[in-house]
Amino acid sequence: NAGVTQTPKFQVLKTGQSMTLQCAQDMNHEYMSWYRQDPGMGLRLIHYSVGAGITDQGEVPNGYNVSRSTTEDFPLRLLSAAPSQTSVYFCASRSGGPGANVLTFGAGSRLTVL
Amino acid sequence: AQKITQTQPGMFVQEKEAVTLDCTYDTSDQSYGLFWYKQPSSGEMIFLIYQGSYDEQNATEGRYSLNFQKARKSANLVISASQLGDSAMYFCAMREGFLNSGGYQKVTFGTGTKLQVIP
Repeated sequence: NAGVTQTPKFQVLKTGQSMTLQCAQDMNHEYMSWYRQDPGMGLRLIHYSVGAGITDQGEVPNGYNVSRSTTEDFPLRLLSAAPSQTSVYFCASRSGGPGANVLTFGAGSRLTVL
Repeated sequence: AQKITQTQPGMFVQEKEAVTLDCTYDTSDQSYGLFWYKQPSSGEMIFLIYQGSYDEQNATEGRYSLNFQKARKSANLVISASQLGDSAMYFCAMREGFLNSGGYQKVTFGTGTKLQVIP
């Protein structure tokens, strides 16, 4: 029962570098999403996907790209990292059928941009 | 305007006592869902309890209950008989829209309440 797997758990980047946060789920969930968590601000939605090939922007999408080529994977790309993107990132998924209420979260990825 | 408001940044409770964490929400949808998640210091997000807007009874899960007052748009979490392991951040969240409408029902989170249980 892997659930939602995020890698890496920790990453340090320099301003301007690019990187990809990986997210994979093995529950055949249709919906996947990325949140960032900052002190005092709760979790804010970055991007989400309702199925393979379908993505859309959330509340704070600037500076991030996503794609969904398979049901299982939903990577988050930072094209040119900025210090403002220092945060903890969570990937979450849920099913689209009955009982589809609960988001299952990954363990989080802590990103520091210097 | 904030969709989810948690007005208590931090709270203390004595071990074995009950504690209420406040949450108010703002939505014009008739169908919505309210959640509480726990985040211990280790960082993972743990689902605690769910209340649907059409549920007539307050949700309960073990020591957790959700005090749902629809007219006041509040969804407070009550933890009975607090334990040291309850020390954590607690987030209230809301899903808006019909569950299987085909669209994505976004889940919005509050800013959280840090609960500390005192021995």
